[in-house]
Amino acid sequence: NAGVTQTPKFQVLKTGQSMTLQCAQDMNHEYMSWYRQDPGMGLRLIHYSVGAGITDQGEVPNGYNVSRSTTEDFPLRLLSAAPSQTSVYFCASSYSYGLTEAFFGQGTRLTVV
Amino acid sequence: AQSVTQLGSHVSVSEGALVLLRCNYSSSVPPYLFWYVQYPNQGLQLLLKYTTGATLVKGINGFEAEFKKSETSFHLTKPSAHMSDAAEYFCAVTGISSGSARQLTFGSGTQLTVLP
Repeated sequence: NAGVTQTPKFQVLKTGQSMTLQCAQDMNHEYMSWYRQDPGMGLRLIHYSVGAGITDQGEVPNGYNVSRSTTEDFPLRLLSAAPSQTSVYFCASSYSYGLTEAFFGQGTRLTVV
Repeated sequence: AQSVTQLGSHVSVSEGALVLLRCNYSSSVPPYLFWYVQYPNQGLQLLLKYTTGATLVKGINGFEAEFKKSETSFHLTKPSAHMSDAAEYFCAVTGISSGSARQLTFGSGTQLTVLP
């Protein structure tokens, strides 16, 4: 049982480049979300989805896009990378929106130079 | 709106000593409360959660937490620290309602160091 799988684990981008962080879960969870983790700030919600075809913004959505075409996948797109987007990104999924345990991926460490 | 405050970004204890990590929350709806642990270079995993019912909840690895509504607190404790407990701990809150209150809101984290 793989749980939540994120790729890549590490990435270095130049300012202005775009990329997609991949996230896949095999638990048939309806709810998926993306967080960024910065020192001293905990995890902040970027975007979330309550099911295929439904996405919404979280606390810090600017500079990021998401889509949810299947239950399993929830990619996060950086449109034009900026140094302020240097962070560790976590994808999570849960059975019920906000009320049950969230399962997290291993994270993607992104550096924008 | 919800918020979580974790008092002490760094806590050090000796091996065998009591672990106490503090968490206070704010929520406009009845809260669900969670503690997650993050080991180095890993994702978060659930330690324990409070939803309804018994206010003292037990989790994995000997940790427990008590929900105190009057104090809006959910402090995490373990009677005897082990070296393997060294990690970062996050308190989180969500709420029983529709809309944004059901999003998981995290505290800023507490780094626990266990001294030999």
